[in-house]
Amino acid sequence: GAVVSQHPSWVICKSGTSVKIECRSLDFQATTMFWYRQFPKQSLMLMATSNEGSKATYEQGVEKDKFLINHASLTLSTLTVTSAHPEDSSFYICSAKLAGGTDTQYFGPGTRLTVL
Amino acid sequence: AQTVTQSQPEMSVQEAETVTLSCTYDTSESDYYLFWYKQPPSRQMILVIRQEAYKQQNATENRFSVNFQKAAKSFSLKISDSQLGDAAMYFCAYSGGAQKLVFGQGTRLTINP
Repeated sequence: GAVVSQHPSWVICKSGTSVKIECRSLDFQATTMFWYRQFPKQSLMLMATSNEGSKATYEQGVEKDKFLINHASLTLSTLTVTSAHPEDSSFYICSAKLAGGTDTQYFGPGTRLTVL
Repeated sequence: AQTVTQSQPEMSVQEAETVTLSCTYDTSESDYYLFWYKQPPSRQMILVIRQEAYKQQNATENRFSVNFQKAAKSFSLKISDSQLGDAAMYFCAYSGGAQKLVFGQGTRLTINP
């Protein structure tokens, strides 16, 4: 149980284009989802917290107009990287918490974004 | 703000032996959760073990156990009978009232056959 999927697992795009990454909780409902960014050999950096049906809460220093987050249902959150640039290349990971559950977060497998 | 510190960037252990990974944290909260996550080369984050701060008993999951010292704000992970599949990056994490995970810097564990 508690499986989280991400799609796509990797994506290559041209500079200036937008890319959408989906995060789905497959066997549970998630009122809260999180988006992280991980640089090589570093820890996870929280970008934003996404609550179903409300606006995402962004961490300090994260551009909300660049990283658009939508949490339209209890099983789906999306991250759109708008006008992507090479410096946005990174590994993006989502996680989800069980609705009414504990503080445990279950993670997706991640998406590797490369911007040319 | 809460912080989590893992002072061992790298550790290695012989297969079948025991290894302990260290983690300390700083918080003024009394109610919180602590976690150890494993990130193998696939980069999938996998929950290893979880500890509720209000529970004095140390959590155990098969070969994995923790030594939770609340007063000292220490939360170490012990892996017994190490296996090749245990090789990974291990992250200690804290979750409190803000409902967000705060991660340590990670410890890369190598298993020597």
